[in-house]
Amino acid sequence: GAGVSQSPSNKVTEKGKDVELRCDPISGHTALYWYRQRLGQGLEFLIYFQGNSAPDKSGLPSDRFSAERTGESVSTLTIQRTQQEDSAVYLCASSLGTGGSYEQYFGPGTRLTVT
Amino acid sequence: AQSVAQPEDQVNVAEGNPLTVKCTYSVSGNPYLFWYVQYPNRGLQFLLKYITGDNLVKGSYGFEAEFNKSQTSFHLKKPSALVSDSALYFCAVRETGAGRRALTFGSGTRLQVQP
Repeated sequence: GAGVSQSPSNKVTEKGKDVELRCDPISGHTALYWYRQRLGQGLEFLIYFQGNSAPDKSGLPSDRFSAERTGESVSTLTIQRTQQEDSAVYLCASSLGTGGSYEQYFGPGTRLTVT
Repeated sequence: AQSVAQPEDQVNVAEGNPLTVKCTYSVSGNPYLFWYVQYPNRGLQFLLKYITGDNLVKGSYGFEAEFNKSQTSFHLKKPSALVSDSALYFCAVRETGAGRRALTFGSGTRLQVQP
C-alpha cells in the first residue's frame, strides 16, 4: 500500500513568510509524528498526535511552530515568520499506535530553505 | 531523559567484510531500540527493533543487532557488507511504559562500503 507522503518536497521561502507543510500518513495509522533534521544532524522531535488525545507539543522550538491533524488523517505543520535557522528537512512519520513496539514509517520529507 | 550516542560519524569497510555500527543509549527504565537507514534523498527506512526477548535481533537486508543491557548498547552488525549498504544509519530509543512517545535519535553514522 501507499506509504507516508509529504508535500511539497521542496520549499524555498523568504525570511518572515509563513509556510505550511503537509503530511498524509499511512491509512489506519493512528499516531503521527513530526521531526526536524538539520543538515548533518540527527532527527529532532517536534510534535506527535494520537487519535483524539491532546497532542504532545513538547518538542516545538518556539510559538512560531504549530501543527494540526484532522482526525486520523492529514496533518499540517505551520511555521510563522520563518527564520533562517528554520531551514531543515521536516520529516513526518506514522505508526499503528504509540505503544513502544510500533515502528514508525517515515515520509520522504520536505526540504525547507529560508533565504 | 532518554538519549542515544553514536560515537562514530563515519565507518569505512571493504565489501565482503563484516561491519559494526555502534550505538549506546540512556533511559530511566527499559528501552525499546530501533535502527533506521537513510539513503540519499529518501526518507528513513526501518531496519530492525528490540522490544523484549532474545538479545540478538535480525532485521532487513541481512542486518542484525545485539542488545546488551549491562553495556547499554545496541550495535548494528552485518556479516558481509555490500556496496549498496552505503548510507546513513540512525539508532533510536524509546522508554517503555508511560514515558515520552516519540523516538530519540542518535546523530547518525555514515557507512561507506568500498568495492
